[in-house]
Amino acid sequence: SSELTQDPAVSVALGQTVRLTCRGGSLRSYFASWYQQKPGQAPVLVIYDNNDRPSGIPDRFSASTSGNTASLTIAGAQAEDEANYYCNSRDSSGNHVFGTGTKVTVL
Amino acid sequence: QVQLQESGPGLVKPSQTLSLSCTVSGDSISGSSYYWTWIRQPAGKGLEWLGRIYTTGSTIYNPSLKSRVTISVDTSKNQFSLKLRFVTAADSAVYYCARQAQGITNLKVTSYFDYWGQGTLVTVSS
Repeated sequence: SSELTQDPAVSVALGQTVRLTCRGGSLRSYFASWYQQKPGQAPVLVIYDNNDRPSGIPDRFSASTSGNTASLTIAGAQAEDEANYYCNSRDSSGNHVFGTGTKVTVL
Repeated sequence: QVQLQESGPGLVKPSQTLSLSCTVSGDSISGSSYYWTWIRQPAGKGLEWLGRIYTTGSTIYNPSLKSRVTISVDTSKNQFSLKLRFVTAADSAVYYCARQAQGITNLKVTSYFDYWGQGTLVTVSS
């Protein structure tokens, strides 16, 4: 199966660290990418190639993969990091699948 | 700066065909090594990848929609388009176009969506 499963919601105190996870068999073979989406806005790429950040993305965002699990870490979460986060990967046929999404609340 | 802009009707009747276009600026579809993708998001729900096209016209579609979806490219207009046939209310969503990068990094395939349009809301209703 190419499904990607994420925790529905997590909360983090301002300035603390939070880790989001994304589980799926395809992650053993293909990199995950991560997207941040705020209400009413298009998703924004925050991590690609497992742990590269596009220009303009703060270095408090980092990622890693172990086996079938990809993780996105926000170190020192800020109020502006409150958003939905989606992982994405592909399978051997080139089909892409998004994770179920995690809503991050910054307290 | 690469920009993508979706356009098309915001209201489509059930059983009819949804047609959207995506105009690309800041990059040339014909000269690009990128793929061009459609993604949608029903209200309050997650993202769904619909399919992608390359400048050669090569396509891959989401298996769950494969029988109803067609993506095409018009390099003269630097646009690519989506057609979704026989729509129902379940096809109501914000539709995004995006640029997809793909390659090999550290001997592993990488693929990601680096530029997105702002999205366009399509409602299926009579």
